[in-house]
Amino acid sequence: DSGVTQTPKHLITATGQRVTLRCSPRSGDLSVYWYQQSLDQGLQFLIQYYNGEERAKGNILERFSAQQFPDLHSELNLSSLELGDSALYFCASSITSGSTDTQYFGPGTRLTVL
Amino acid sequence: GEDVEQSLFLSVREGDSSVINCTYTDSSSTYLYWYKQEPGAGLQLLTYIFSNMDMKQDQRLTVLLNKKDKHLSLRIADTQTGDSAIYFCAEGVTGGGNKLTFGTGTQLKVEL
Repeated sequence: DSGVTQTPKHLITATGQRVTLRCSPRSGDLSVYWYQQSLDQGLQFLIQYYNGEERAKGNILERFSAQQFPDLHSELNLSSLELGDSALYFCASSITSGSTDTQYFGPGTRLTVL
Repeated sequence: GEDVEQSLFLSVREGDSSVINCTYTDSSSTYLYWYKQEPGAGLQLLTYIFSNMDMKQDQRLTVLLNKKDKHLSLRIADTQTGDSAIYFCAEGVTGGGNKLTFGTGTQLKVEL
């Protein structure tokens, strides 16, 4: 158990809908990262937050957004969902945002868009 | 740019050593990581190596880094059936945040 929690574990929804994925980092960690794992794209970095501020952005679609709250939990919002958004979404956390910080991953949320 | 490549599949017999290879392109990598993903599970950090090191040993795991060739390997000694999983190498790159770039993953199958 990495100490990173994600809810829900599974999510099934329809095209065009909007969903919110939630992540709680390890105790004491200030940075939260979101990654998407899909069959065709592999594991891709989406976005990083550090202490409430966006720190780095990767291949995140405009239909997706994220935020980190004062209690350091984070939410990833996915809107106007398409079939291709079906994937496993991982959250990770680290102590700070430094390049030497190890990232610990949560168990993931499996999103299925029908 | 960043690109991390791995072979897709490796099959070994129980008790043998496994060697999983990875090549990366970004010379500004600071740390290189190995993660393990079992079916239906998340990513488990196995080990990591700082980019100015050549080797790191951690129990049954040995990481070798050839920085000149940008080649990373993970050796698992005395491979067990419980080691069957997908193994991802990842590089951590400096410059704005701390994102990880992952390889495609190598599926390790351990046979009796």
